[in-house]
Amino acid sequence: QVQLKESGPGLVQPSETLSLTCTVSGFSLTSYSVSWVRQPSGKGPEWMGRMWYDGDTAYNSALKSRLSISRDTSKNQVFLKMNSLQTDDTGTYYCTRDRYGYNFDYWGQGVMVTVSS
Amino acid sequence: DIVLTQSPATLSVTPGESVSLSCRASQGISTSIHWYQQKSNESPRLLIKFASQSISGIPSRFSGSGSGTDFTLSINRVESEDFSVYYCQQSYSLPLTFGSGTKLEIK
Repeated sequence: QVQLKESGPGLVQPSETLSLTCTVSGFSLTSYSVSWVRQPSGKGPEWMGRMWYDGDTAYNSALKSRLSISRDTSKNQVFLKMNSLQTDDTGTYYCTRDRYGYNFDYWGQGVMVTVSS
Repeated sequence: DIVLTQSPATLSVTPGESVSLSCRASQGISTSIHWYQQKSNESPRLLIKFASQSISGIPSRFSGSGSGTDFTLSINRVESEDFSVYYCQQSYSLPLTFGSGTKLEIK
């Protein structure tokens, strides 16, 4: 069955870089796209960016200068790197299977990231 | 960016009642709206795609309607497992955006 699982540090210092990994199973990264979505506690989700099935990427313009998404298809993994973290980057970060750039039909369990010194 | 405004922020209902949740877009988006349910401490789950298209495995009491700027998620005869937060999301243009949610709570 389709599964996605995020991994990475739960605590990041302000101004430092966040690195997260999404490991997928049950589908191929060369057939489906993967998006990263984050959600501050008690607020609505925010789309961060996408790794298309063909290796291309798309980013939320609000984050584009700080964000990079890459992948390793041999390991079924998608990576997120975001630099210059601030306290308002605190929240739960999800990787999702992205249906042709329209909606998100499977979600990982999420990883809680706290930005604090 | 397209802003999605959901109303009401909180809706208090008794199990068995039928409800309608609203999502209004800041510009016309055809039927490029999708609905999610998020239970406490869980990941969101896709309920409805493209305004009114059903998703396999989702109970038939959930339905969607609308086009342009005004959209509605309807729940026919709310059950106890339906009390959660509901979000709309647009795919008309980048960046994809979500609404701020409607919390459905037990009266």
